[in-house]
Amino acid sequence: AQSVTQLGSHVSVSEGALVLLRCNYSSSVPPYLFWYVQYPNQGLQLLLKYTSAATLVKGINGFEAEFKKSETSFHLTKPSAHMSDAAEYFCAVSDQNTGGFKTIFGAGTRLFVKA
Amino acid sequence: DTGVSQDPRHKITKRGQNVTFRCDPISEHNRLYWYRQTLGQGPEFLTYFQNEAQLEKSRLLSDRFSAERPKGSFSTLEIQRTEQGDSAMYLCASSLAMLGDTQYFGPGTRLTVL
Repeated sequence: AQSVTQLGSHVSVSEGALVLLRCNYSSSVPPYLFWYVQYPNQGLQLLLKYTSAATLVKGINGFEAEFKKSETSFHLTKPSAHMSDAAEYFCAVSDQNTGGFKTIFGAGTRLFVKA
Repeated sequence: DTGVSQDPRHKITKRGQNVTFRCDPISEHNRLYWYRQTLGQGPEFLTYFQNEAQLEKSRLLSDRFSAERPKGSFSTLEIQRTEQGDSAMYLCASSLAMLGDTQYFGPGTRLTVL
């Protein structure tokens, strides 16, 4: 069975500092991995996804994530935080065999950005 | 492309009442998903359609829940005899069928059962 663990339910950074949100996954087959962002009272928006091409994936708003199979990790980073990055971030996994129809989400990490 | 829409955005009901939510996916998308999200948690998969066929239901979906997608376009999620534990955000997403397809989410329907 697949699962996702997001380390840290809350992360606080200063504006301009590095953002690092951690995600570890468990999957018995090669996974597809996703990061979504959710702003208050809005649906989830895809930031980036890994589909077994390049291990370093670049997404929107300056975010990127690196797939590390040996560490079963897919951490999300951004070099310099902006106030507008404050939101909830979800890591998700689906397996390639099922074509992605069942996606398992982590519990989320709320990012706070201090001025 | 107007995105995924959901109606209503908020629903307050009394325990024991039935409620129905609607989801309109992006027009060319043939996959449609329903998720439930409670406070402090990520979305939990409930059910999935490809065109009009319901292909998977989570064990989370009790027999009080039913979902339909009659013509492979919009979908409805009905909850009968609501319970306080049903209070949550119900999210709909749609995608175009392919490996690693990207799901596009609607804004959700927030259900409060009193």
